Amino acid sequence: QVQLVESGGGVVQPGRSLRLSCAASGFTFSSYGMHWVRQAPGKGLEWVALIWYDGNIKYYRESVKGRFTISRDNSKNTLYLQMDSLSDEDTAVYYCARDGVSVFVPTPIKAFDVWGQGTMVTVSS
Amino acid sequence: EIVLTQSPGTLSLSPGERATLSCRASQFVSSSYLAWYQQRPGQAPRLLIYSASSRATGIPDRFSGSGSGTDFTLTISRLEPEDFALYYCQHYGSALWYTFGQGTNLEIK
Repeated sequence: QVQLVESGGGVVQPGRSLRLSCAASGFTFSSYGMHWVRQAPGKGLEWVALIWYDGNIKYYRESVKGRFTISRDNSKNTLYLQMDSLSDEDTAVYYCARDGVSVFVPTPIKAFDVWGQGTMVTVSS
Repeated sequence: EIVLTQSPGTLSLSPGERATLSCRASQFVSSSYLAWYQQRPGQAPRLLIYSASSRATGIPDRFSGSGSGTDFTLTISRLEPEDFALYYCQHYGSALWYTFGQGTNLEIK
């Protein structure tokens, strides 16, 4: 079945780095754009970054620009989020999500149609 | 950036009742770019509705979406116990910017 599984979360000190991974299965990963979305404890959902299906185009929310890097390896069906210069404001559950719009699919779904279970990132000294 | 405001913040209802959740945008939103998600405690969000009124795969027909312009609504016709959860609307960015409302907590009365 269609599935996304995140990993790589943990506790990290302010200013340090962490890399998250998202393993995809059950669909043609290389045909879809992918997102990272985060949710701070007790808060709502916040979009973080997008990467196009081929990896050529990337977009970030303003507060993570220059610190976070989204990337993908289509040969490994895996999405990544490299997070540098972490601050306590980055503490959250991080979800990867599939963009339902694909140039290879005739009926686009303009939404995030598949989500992983999330991985917790805690930034604390 | 389009801001989405959901109301009410908390909605207390009983199983079998009808739920009406609102999402208001700070400026015009094409109905093609409005989605709704459900998040149960401890779980990831799940897509319910896209393009304002299209149900995602596997979503029961008691869930329906409507609206246009700046006002959108998610309706649950007859609440089941598993429907008590958080609900978020989302602007699927037509300009590659994606925003969520702050959420409505649907709780058992």
